[in-house]
Amino acid sequence: ILNVEQSPQSLHVQEGDSTNFTCSFPSSNFYALHWYRWETAKSPEALFVMTLNGDEKKKGRISATLNTKEGYSYLYIKGSQPEDSATYLCASWPTSGYSTLTFGKGTMLLVSP
Amino acid sequence: EAQVTQNPRYLITVTGKKLTVTCSQNMNHEYMSWYRQDPGLGLRQIYYSMNVEVTDKGDVPEGYKVSRKEKRNFPLILESPSPNQTSLYFCASSQNDLHGYTFGSGTRLTVV
Repeated sequence: ILNVEQSPQSLHVQEGDSTNFTCSFPSSNFYALHWYRWETAKSPEALFVMTLNGDEKKKGRISATLNTKEGYSYLYIKGSQPEDSATYLCASWPTSGYSTLTFGKGTMLLVSP
Repeated sequence: EAQVTQNPRYLITVTGKKLTVTCSQNMNHEYMSWYRQDPGLGLRQIYYSMNVEVTDKGDVPEGYKVSRKEKRNFPLILESPSPNQTSLYFCASSQNDLHGYTFGSGTRLTVV
């Protein structure tokens, strides 16, 4: 079983703050890294799929970077808004094609107005 | 609308009574997967499927069965449910290994 770790477990920021979370995964066994956003009472929604070392993805105020050599990815949220409150999940896909997608336990973000 | 449909949304059942949770996707996705969500444990993969008649065990397959007779459907079968299978279950599908998963709305199962 792959070990995908996320930190911090939870985060409480004020509206307008910028924030970032970390996802660690086994660098020796890597094909793709997924980020998902999961709002309470809803289903997880895909944000990014990243595959290349040094890759950067951006969607509005949310961006992510990837370091496959050292086995980590950062998710950044610029100018957090209350609607950004959610749990952010990362997941590692170890080999191309037919394979498992292993999730971390997530970072729960609360943005106060 | 592109979606993954799970049924039922909620289910309370008794120990040992066989049940099936259905999952259907209308996006012609190759990959489908079942996860369970438990407090403090995160999403854990039960089974996954690459295509029709191709399935494989995830991290927590014990007590579950799946089948993929048609591309769009991927039912989860609990032959003899036990209380430790009380959980929130998600079905998900993906076009391939370079696309994110689309998740269903979830099925909250309680086994008493």
